[in-house]
Amino acid sequence: ELKVEQNPLFLSMQEGKNYTIYCNYSTTSDRLYWYRQDPGKSLESLFVLLSNGAVKQEGRLMASLDTKARLSTLHITAAVHDLSATYFCAVDQGAQKLVFGQGTRLTINP
Amino acid sequence: GAVVSQHPSWVICKSGTSVKIECRSLDFQATTMFWYRQFPKQSLMLMATSNEGSKATYEQGVEKDKFLINHASLTLSTLTVTSAHPEDSSFYICRLKWVFGYTFGSGTRLTVV
Repeated sequence: ELKVEQNPLFLSMQEGKNYTIYCNYSTTSDRLYWYRQDPGKSLESLFVLLSNGAVKQEGRLMASLDTKARLSTLHITAAVHDLSATYFCAVDQGAQKLVFGQGTRLTINP
Repeated sequence: GAVVSQHPSWVICKSGTSVKIECRSLDFQATTMFWYRQFPKQSLMLMATSNEGSKATYEQGVEKDKFLINHASLTLSTLTVTSAHPEDSSFYICRLKWVFGYTFGSGTRLTVV
């Protein structure tokens, strides 16, 4: 059974700082997703990572994938308040089904 | 492209009644639709997968007689929560597969009182 674990689950940080969210998964998969969720809203797709060593960047967010270590990271650079949200990683377990991590609730303080 | 309409966005119903949630693709055909449930401050859990014209496949622990899924066309899937109880209060989200990938619906907040 595929298990996906994120850490930390809660993160409070100051604007301008850098931080990384980690996503570990237990079995081999060929794609990993990162999503953002604002309170009361659905999920917004951030990144899809398809291969070992994949790195994608959008603004202050950068995601990477190490399939050998079964680890993905979401790095936040020079955080701004607008990035406050809950971030989920999700791993494709096959048959197009996604297994989600627990989510990381990120709060960025001025 | 890939516009999804999920309706209603929120609903309050009395215990024992049934609620229907619609997920409609507006500008593409969705070959597969997934239904997820998210309890407050928790992650998303897959409930079922449906393909057009076929019976839905339910995940372990999800009661198929309670959560009725109908995928009657390539643009519409419905989830009916039958005989709803307060423990069914949750955020329900559909996810659709289309030719270029996947997209989520906007979600439905169900509150059973």
